[in-house]
Amino acid sequence: SQQGEEDPQALSIQEGENATMNCSYKTSINNLQWYRQNSGRGLVHLILIRSNEREKHSGRLRVTLDTSKKSSSLLITASRAADTASYFCAKEGRDDKIIFGKGTRLHILP
Amino acid sequence: DAGITQSPRYKITETGRQVTLMCHQTWSHSYMFWYRQDLGHGLRLIYYSAAADITDKGEVPDGYVVSRSKTENFPLTLESATRSQTSVYFCASSERGVTFYEQYFGPGTRLTVT
Repeated sequence: SQQGEEDPQALSIQEGENATMNCSYKTSINNLQWYRQNSGRGLVHLILIRSNEREKHSGRLRVTLDTSKKSSSLLITASRAADTASYFCAKEGRDDKIIFGKGTRLHILP
Repeated sequence: DAGITQSPRYKITETGRQVTLMCHQTWSHSYMFWYRQDLGHGLRLIYYSAAADITDKGEVPDGYVVSRSKTENFPLTLESATRSQTSVYFCASSERGVTFYEQYFGPGTRLTVT
């Protein structure tokens, strides 16, 4: 399976701390995207990183991509209560298929 | 209203019944997708469509039928619903250049098959 796997499955941190989530994959990709899903809602796109990019930033989000290790990480700095959600990586493979991982459930503690 | 909508939002049906989930987008995106989300499995692609009258299977297509006669609509039909099809279904749309751009997701349809 080309499914991206997120790690950890669940993460609880104190408000203000940084949260790091990882995504691994098995075959070559065109790009990798991160999405957020609040409870009971649809997914919302956060950031896209192409296979020839190593790092991208968007506000408090930082995404890295290591194609040699077939992995990506999402860093959320200075976490807030509103960041409590599930986070998914989605890989576009060379076959143009998009595969979502199982997600990381992030809980920000007050 | 602009965006992507799904109907119904909640549906309870009996085993063996046919049920159709509707998806409508106002952006004229070429690509549309149907996913199901189940605990422990994340999102799994059921079918997708690259344009009107062009559809292709995803990871879990069995038991589902799609059509796309108009760019803005992408209905998903369960021909004979089974309990294993109890799930939350998400529709999404996207454009594509060299690679896919971001997907826009609908609010989801929670389907229960009894």
